[in-house]
Amino acid sequence: EVQLVESGGGLVQPGRSMKLSCAASGFTFNNYDMAWVCQAPKKGLEWVATISYDGSSTYYRDSVKGRFTISRDNAKSTLYLQMDSLRSEDTATYYCASLGGGFDYWGQGVMVTVSS
Amino acid sequence: DIQMTQSPSVLSASVGDRVTLSCKASQNINKNLDWYQQKLGEAPKLLIYFTNNLQTGIPSRFSGSGSGTDYTLTISSLQPEDVATYYCYQYNSGLTFGSGTKLEIK
Repeated sequence: EVQLVESGGGLVQPGRSMKLSCAASGFTFNNYDMAWVCQAPKKGLEWVATISYDGSSTYYRDSVKGRFTISRDNAKSTLYLQMDSLRSEDTATYYCASLGGGFDYWGQGVMVTVSS
Repeated sequence: DIQMTQSPSVLSASVGDRVTLSCKASQNINKNLDWYQQKLGEAPKLLIYFTNNLQTGIPSRFSGSGSGTDYTLTISSLQPEDVATYYCYQYNSGLTFGSGTKLEIK
């Protein structure tokens, strides 16, 4: 069974950093591109970042470029999102997702609240 | 950036109805479109990829169609468990979700 389990969320002050993790199991992690998608409270879905299967290519939405870094450790089957210089508008539930045909598997999500 | 407009924003229908949800792109997206279902309090789920391909395990009452800028998700016979918000998503140029259609039972 495919499982994606996010961790690392919580309350953080504006301007500070937070690192999210997503532990994958049940599939060959290093064969898949992976992504982070976020959802602000009571809002729609927004793509955040994507990383290629081998980590050689990364892509970001404009609003997080230069502040967020997506990375992966294929030996640990784990995806990461390093979030720096956090802003109140980054408050959201963050989902990790695998990229098969579409975002075919999703984690349960982790909440990040940016507030003083 | 490509904008994705979903309509209606809220749809109320009866069990057994045929339901059609629309998604319009601001430019041609060459069928590079997926549909996702998100039930309250849950993670999204992939229903349809590349316009009309049913994801494994998804009931056959769901289908997708479209081309160019106009795309449709159809539920042939609405079931109570289909209550959810449905999002289209384009990956032809940039990556953009629509704003969603909330589907309710009348």
